[in-house]
Amino acid sequence: KAGVTQTPRYLIKTRGQQVTLSCSPISGHRSVSWYQQTPGQGLQFLFEYFSETQRNKGNFPGRFSGRQFSNSRSEMNVSTLELGDSALYLCASSLLSREVNEQFFGPGTRLTVL
Amino acid sequence: GQQLNQSPQSMFIQEGEDVSMNCTSSSIFNTWLWYKQDPGEGPVLLIALYKAGELTSNGRLTAQFGITRKDSFLNISASIPSDVGIYFCAGQDSGGGADGLTFGKGTHLIIQP
Repeated sequence: KAGVTQTPRYLIKTRGQQVTLSCSPISGHRSVSWYQQTPGQGLQFLFEYFSETQRNKGNFPGRFSGRQFSNSRSEMNVSTLELGDSALYLCASSLLSREVNEQFFGPGTRLTVL
Repeated sequence: GQQLNQSPQSMFIQEGEDVSMNCTSSSIFNTWLWYKQDPGEGPVLLIALYKAGELTSNGRLTAQFGITRKDSFLNISASIPSDVGIYFCAGQDSGGGADGLTFGKGTHLIIQP
C-alpha cells in the first residue's frame, strides 16, 4: 500500500506571495491532518479534515487554510507569506476508528520564504 | 494549551547501549504515540499505545502508557547506528482522532563511534 505523498517536496517563495501544498493520503484513509514543523516551535497542529469537512483547527492565523476533496486528497494554502512561515509542512493520514488512531506522515514540503 | 515535556533533549551513547526517554504531560491523554524522524523526512510511527498501563514492544523498542495517563516512556535496547535520529512522543486526548496530536520537542539520539 502506498504511503502518504506530498507535493512539492521543496518550495521557495517570497514574502507576500501565496502557496498551495498538496497531500494524498494512504488509500482508504479519510482523515487528513496538517502540521507545521520549525526548529523553534517543533511540530504544531494546523487542522484536520474528514469527509471534506474541517473538524478541528490549531492555533494559527486565518492566512492558513485548507480543504479536502471527495477522494480524500487535501490541500493547504498559506496567503500573504511571512518569513516566519518558513517550515516543513507535514501531512498525516489516519484510518480514524475508535480502536485505531494512528497517524501516518508524508515526507513533508519544505517551504522557504525569502 | 496542552504541553508535553520530553526528556532528555539529546543523548550521546555508544553502540550497543540501551536507551530510555520519556514524556510527561500536564493533562491526560487517551493515546500515546512514538515517532522517529530522520533528516529531510516525515516522522515514522514506531509504537502506538491506547490503554493506561499498556506495555508494547516492536523489536528492540518497548514503550509504556503510564497509569496516570500523563506520561509514557520509550526504551531502545542494544542500540545500532540506524537508531540515530530524533524521537518524538505525541499524545491525543480524544478517542476517534478528532483532535490533532500534541508533540514533545523530541530527543536527539546520537551514537558515538
